Amino acid sequence: KQEVTQIPAALSVPEGENLVLNCSFTDSAIYNLQWFRQDPGKGLTSLLLIQSSQREQTSGRLNASLDKSSGRSTLYIAASQPGDSATYLCAVGMNRDDKIIFGKGTRLHILP
Amino acid sequence: DGGITQSPKYLFRKEGQNVTLSCEQNLNHDAMYWYRQDPGQGLRLIYYSQIVNDFQKGDIAEGYSVSREKKESFPLTVTSAQKNPTAFYLCASSFAGQVSYEQYFGPGTRLTVT
Repeated sequence: KQEVTQIPAALSVPEGENLVLNCSFTDSAIYNLQWFRQDPGKGLTSLLLIQSSQREQTSGRLNASLDKSSGRSTLYIAASQPGDSATYLCAVGMNRDDKIIFGKGTRLHILP
Repeated sequence: DGGITQSPKYLFRKEGQNVTLSCEQNLNHDAMYWYRQDPGQGLRLIYYSQIVNDFQKGDIAEGYSVSREKKESFPLTVTSAQKNPTAFYLCASSFAGQVSYEQYFGPGTRLTVT
């Protein structure tokens, strides 16, 4: 059974710093991996989608990497800003049973 | 302006009452989904529909019901049989399947049952 873990559950960093959020999964037979952002009381916004054949995806200050063999993905945020404060969720797509498994998220707070 | 709308944003109900949450999309997506989110938990799939007039149970379907009479609409009814209905409910849609295509989410409905 696929399990998706995001550590730490919460993180506070000063504005301007580069930071890395981690996502690990137990079953490496994934189809894709997606990073989402969720603001308090809001829905999810897709940030980056990485197919299993890809190593990374970039969008602006965000870079997501995928290492299937080790069961890990990272979301790198460059030059963090207070507006980046949100919860970031990782979700793994399993082709075998056509399911998406979500992690519990990392709550990020950027200190002005 | 394409997207997914959910209404209402906040919903309060007394225990024992059924309540229906609305989800509408104008993205021309075939597939639609309902998730439940509890504090500190990942999203859990309640029901999904890949095509009109067809839907499947997700991981936590007990106490919930859905219909898919139109491509644009996928309402969720929380019945009195749901033991712990207070939660944040999210609707999503995609072009097809759960995994193959990116999912787009609505703004959510927070349901409180007392």
